[in-house]
Amino acid sequence: QKEVEQNSGPLSVPEGAIASLNCTYSDRGSQSFFWYRQYSGKSPELIMSIYSNGDKEDGRFTAQLNKASQYVSLLIRDSQPSDSATYLCAVNLDNAGKSTFGDGTTLTVKP
Amino acid sequence: DTEVTQTPKHLVMGMTNKKSLKCEQHMGHRAMYWYKQKAKKPPELMFVYSYEKLSINESVPSRFSPECPNSSLLNLHLHALQPEDSALYLCASSQERTEPTDTQYFGPGTRLTVL
Repeated sequence: QKEVEQNSGPLSVPEGAIASLNCTYSDRGSQSFFWYRQYSGKSPELIMSIYSNGDKEDGRFTAQLNKASQYVSLLIRDSQPSDSATYLCAVNLDNAGKSTFGDGTTLTVKP
Repeated sequence: DTEVTQTPKHLVMGMTNKKSLKCEQHMGHRAMYWYKQKAKKPPELMFVYSYEKLSINESVPSRFSPECPNSSLLNLHLHALQPEDSALYLCASSQERTEPTDTQYFGPGTRLTVL
């Protein structure tokens, strides 16, 4: 079992729809969770970080964390073609000094 | 300002060449990282520096040699690379790696091609 797993893509949604990206992790000691967006040929860009159970909203993005289920998700409301990218879930262990990344989910938003 | 800069943007080198990648940040971050990313794969951690000291080496071949001259600079020296080392090399920095909420910010990367 991989330490961090993301729902297999690619994921395609129409413009204006809600895109839902999911991530599960295996280590219950995981403390911090991050979503990065990566456009083709570019570097990862931090979108959201979440540390506590529940929802965290930032504009059109909502991160949801459920530590009991070892599950973190990212919702993108009113999806735009510019949201088309690969989304990476990253997890930090307590004092581990490094992030473990999932394989990423590629999202395509069709006009 | 959450900017990490990397030079060069692109590098083509032969297997006998010696070259260096450079990374710089002026955010006062005390941890810096090198990652390697192949196409359609996630970033793969290579090295971590904390307070200018190497703290993690993920069993990287010795043809890759990191250096942290000061808290703002991170270099990756390359020698006798193989074609399979061609990848996007990413630098990242964070405030303090021992905090679980520590957030990494990535530079734009150097696209390396080994001929």
